[in-house]
Amino acid sequence: QVTLKESGPGMLQPSKTLSLTCSFSGFSLSTSGMVVSWIRQPSGKSLEWLAAIDWDGDKYYNPSLKSSLTVSKDTSNTQVFLKITSVDTADTATYYCARRRGLWAPFDYWGQGVMVTVSS
Amino acid sequence: DIQMTQSPSSMSVSLGDRVTITCRASQDIGNYLSWYQQKPEKSPKFMIYGATNLEDGVPSRFSGSRSGSDYSLTINSLESEDTGIYFCLQHKQYPLTFGSGTKLEIK
Repeated sequence: QVTLKESGPGMLQPSKTLSLTCSFSGFSLSTSGMVVSWIRQPSGKSLEWLAAIDWDGDKYYNPSLKSSLTVSKDTSNTQVFLKITSVDTADTATYYCARRRGLWAPFDYWGQGVMVTVSS
Repeated sequence: DIQMTQSPSSMSVSLGDRVTITCRASQDIGNYLSWYQQKPEKSPKFMIYGATNLEDGVPSRFSGSRSGSDYSLTINSLESEDTGIYFCLQHKQYPLTFGSGTKLEIK
């Protein structure tokens, strides 16, 4: 059974660094073709793809945010991390991680999401 | 970036109606198009892949089609459980991009 679960700070102040963790089970990111992405959704708005990391450790970023994003994975290939530097109120959103079984595959499993509020 | 233009933004329809939601891709994405349903306070649910293929467990009243750069999700005979927001996603190339969403409500 594939599951993903996001965790994060809940709330943080503007200009700080947001650190998110995606913990998953039922698959390994070391399996050829596997990709885990981060996607976010401000309340009442659409979805925005942020970043991805694949089984080979290759990383992909949304160019609109690339300078502030860092995606990484742990050595056990069961967690993926996302850091967003210098957050502001526009980064307030629900953040999801999701799995793809190939670089051209759809997202077949999503986490439940974690709400992050940026506020002073 | 590939833009996905989704329409309509909202629909209010009657039970039993046929519903069609469309996404237009700004560049060629082949059949790398999937559809998701999102309920309030829930994560998106994977519904259709490859533009036309139903994911396991998705009711057969749902279908996907493609005409050129236009991709459609159709629900035949709407049921109350079909309410929610529907999104398309192109996964042909990075950055992956979503449609703006269609909110489907019962009249």
